[in-house]
Amino acid sequence: AQSVAQPEDQVNVAEGNPLTVKCTYSVSGNPYLFWYVQYPNRGLQFLLKYITGDNLVKGSYGFEAEFNKSQTSFHLKKPSALVSDSALYFCAVRDMDTGFQKLVFGTGTRLLVSP
Amino acid sequence: NAGVTQTPKFQVLKTGQSMTLQCAQDMNHEYMSWYRQDPGMGLRLIHYSVGAGITDQGEVPNGYNVSRSTTEDFPLRLLSAAPSQTSVYFCASSYGGQGYGYNEQFFGPGTRLTVL
Repeated sequence: AQSVAQPEDQVNVAEGNPLTVKCTYSVSGNPYLFWYVQYPNRGLQFLLKYITGDNLVKGSYGFEAEFNKSQTSFHLKKPSALVSDSALYFCAVRDMDTGFQKLVFGTGTRLLVSP
Repeated sequence: NAGVTQTPKFQVLKTGQSMTLQCAQDMNHEYMSWYRQDPGMGLRLIHYSVGAGITDQGEVPNGYNVSRSTTEDFPLRLLSAAPSQTSVYFCASSYGGQGYGYNEQFFGPGTRLTVL
């Protein structure tokens, strides 16, 4: 079965510093990977996805993610964090065993950006 | 374009009561799904639909029913509420068609359900 792991429950970073939110995946074929963000009391919003091609994927709000096949990782990054980036971040992978019908989520990482 | 809408936003039930969580989308998406979000567990898929008249079970389907009579609506029914169903419920939709595995999901704002 496909799965993703987010090893950090929380990441703390000062405003202006670079941030990284980690995600590793386990799939039986080529992965379709996604990052979503959830602001307080809101639904999830799509940030970016990796399907194929360039290993560096650019997304919304200045976020990018680096796909690393050898390390089976898909870490989310931003060069300069903003206080408004504080939110819950989810990594997800399409479940190929069900013909891509399902999206399997990680447990989430809370990002806290301090002023 | 309202996107994905969910009603109600909050609900309190007593054990054994039944209710329906409503979900609608106006983007003509073929795929719709229901998730529950619990602390430390991320989002878990309850049921999903690949089009009107077609539904299937997800990871945690017990105690829930769904139907999809139209493209727009995908209600989730709790048959006999239990405290273990206390959670935040999210509905999501996405485009279908060729290459649908590539498509991101659009989420509703959620329904916070408490079962006493």
